[in-house]
Amino acid sequence: GNSVTQMEGPVTLSEEAFLTINCTYTATGYPSLFWYVQYPGEGLQLLLKATKADDKGSNKGFEATYRKETTSFHLEKGSVQVSDSAVYFCALNPYNFNKFYFGSGTKLNVKP
Amino acid sequence: DGGITQSPKYLFRKEGQNVTLSCEQNLNHDAMYWYRQDPGQGLRLIYYSQIVNDFQKGDIAEGYSVSREKKESFPLTVTSAQKNPTAFYLCASTVPGATDTQYFGPGTRLTVL
Repeated sequence: GNSVTQMEGPVTLSEEAFLTINCTYTATGYPSLFWYVQYPGEGLQLLLKATKADDKGSNKGFEATYRKETTSFHLEKGSVQVSDSAVYFCALNPYNFNKFYFGSGTKLNVKP
Repeated sequence: DGGITQSPKYLFRKEGQNVTLSCEQNLNHDAMYWYRQDPGQGLRLIYYSQIVNDFQKGDIAEGYSVSREKKESFPLTVTSAQKNPTAFYLCASTVPGATDTQYFGPGTRLTVL
């Protein structure tokens, strides 16, 4: 079956710290992988995506690499800001299948 | 600007009443989705539709109904049979295909009084 597992939060960091949010997946076929961000009271926004093994998605200083051998898509950022405080969701879309699978979300709190 | 709109932003209903949440998109996307999000939780799929006049149940369809009469619109009705309807409801759409992104609306917060 298809599923996404991400690390439980909340994750609390000081400004300028290094961020890693772990995400692993189970999928049939060759899925596309996504990270979404949700700010309080809002919908989800696409942060980055990768469509095949070894691809690296990047946006706004965040990056994640599609690792087929470890079935992982960990989100990283070298120096977080207070404005990065939000909930981050890892998701997958199995190949040629129109249903998305989301992780449970990881809340990030960045303190000044 | 292309996007997904959901209305209203906040909705209150009395217990036992049906209520319909609106979702409209002008992205020309074929597929549309409804999710429910509870506080501190992830997204749970209620219904999805890949084309007009067709839709499928998701993981938690009981107590909900949908219609898809137009490509642009995918309204969700929360019926009185839904035992715990207070939640944040998110609508999304996508172009079918493995590489395509799912785009989300701003959400509707439903509170049952």
